[in-house]
Amino acid sequence: NAGVTQTPKFQVLKTGQSMTLQCAQDMNHEYMSWYRQDPGMGLRLIHYSVGAGITDQGEVPNGYNVSRSTTEDFPLRLLSAAPSQTSVYFCASSYSTFGVSISGNTIYFGEGSWLTVV
Amino acid sequence: AQSVTQLDSHVSVSEGTPVLLRCNYSSSYSPSLFWYVQHPNKGLQLLLKYTSAATLVKGINGFEAEFKKSETSFHLTKPSAHMSDAAEYFCVVTSYSSASKIIFGSGTRLSIRP
Repeated sequence: NAGVTQTPKFQVLKTGQSMTLQCAQDMNHEYMSWYRQDPGMGLRLIHYSVGAGITDQGEVPNGYNVSRSTTEDFPLRLLSAAPSQTSVYFCASSYSTFGVSISGNTIYFGEGSWLTVV
Repeated sequence: AQSVTQLDSHVSVSEGTPVLLRCNYSSSYSPSLFWYVQHPNKGLQLLLKYTSAATLVKGINGFEAEFKKSETSFHLTKPSAHMSDAAEYFCVVTSYSSASKIIFGSGTRLSIRP
């Protein structure tokens, strides 16, 4: 039972570089999302997806891109890394009912990806 | 619209004394509420969840929370703190709506004094 798997766990980037954070889940969850965690700010939603081929912006989407070509995978792309994107990133997934609602369903998180942009 | 407010950014208690972490929510629809715990440099672990069944919810490691609709609160409690409880705690809300977003509180850091 792998659950939600994030890679890499640690990464150092130079300003302007691009990279992709990988997220995969093996629970057949339709709902997946990406968060960033910064001190004193809790977790803020970057992008989310309610199913393959469907993505939407969260609270802080600028500088990030996502796609959902399969149910299992939800990669997060940093297009041109900036020091302000230094953060801890979490991927999450949940079973959704009625095609959309995740109400009441447990949210599963990856172990996190620590990203530093210098 | 949904929102979650954790009323204390930091709580410090002595080992063996009760723990109270406060959470208030706002939701246009019937909410589902969760508490997650995050130990240093680790991911998030589910402590407990409320989904419109019993209003007093028991979780892992001796934690429990009570859903109070009249007060729009979902406070987390534990009768006796243990050193291993030192961590960051997040209150989370989702609701039965098409928005399908997960809203986090800003977190409460729990410190345990020997």
